[in-house]
Amino acid sequence: ETGVTQSPTHLIKTRGQQVTLRCSSQSGHNTVSWYQQALGQGPQFIFQYYREEENGRGNFPPRFSGLQFPNYSSELNVNALELDDSALYLCASSFDQRYNEQFFGPGTRLTVL
Amino acid sequence: SQQGEEDPQALSIQEGENATMNCSYKTSINNLQWYRQNSGRGLVHLILIRSNEREKHSGRLRVTLDTSKKSSSLLITASRAADTASYFCATERETSGSRLTFGEGTQLTVNP
Repeated sequence: ETGVTQSPTHLIKTRGQQVTLRCSSQSGHNTVSWYQQALGQGPQFIFQYYREEENGRGNFPPRFSGLQFPNYSSELNVNALELDDSALYLCASSFDQRYNEQFFGPGTRLTVL
Repeated sequence: SQQGEEDPQALSIQEGENATMNCSYKTSINNLQWYRQNSGRGLVHLILIRSNEREKHSGRLRVTLDTSKKSSSLLITASRAADTASYFCATERETSGSRLTFGEGTQLTVNP
């Protein structure tokens, strides 16, 4: 157990809807990163939050947005859902933004119909 | 695009045998991390090896890093059925902050 929690575990949405995924970081960690993992592939970096500021973004459109709160928990929001957004969404927490291990939560499985 | 490439894509061995997985990458890195994932669940962190290190051990795991060849290997000794999982290498590049770039993974099956 890493101490990183995510909710919900599973989610089913339809095209065009919006979704919010949540992540609580491990105690003492100030950095949260979000990844998308399509079936059979490795995770792809979406973005990272460090002390409530976005600190790097991968190749994802603006309809993917996020927040980090003062307690370092984080949200991932996806607007105008598309079928290809169906994936496992993973968050990872770490202490400071570089050079340290990232510990992953169990993920949220999103299905878009 | 994926920086890391794991080799082989799939590996099937008998309990008690050793399993070796390889990872190659393209750009300079700060560190390389190995993760395990059981059937679409969360990633479990195994080992982090920094760019100035050549070898690290953790229990039955041994990781090597060759920065001149831009490659790493993960050795699992005396494998168990419970080691069956997908294994990913992930690199933290020098130029891209702490984002991790993952390979496609190696699916390891350990037969009892």
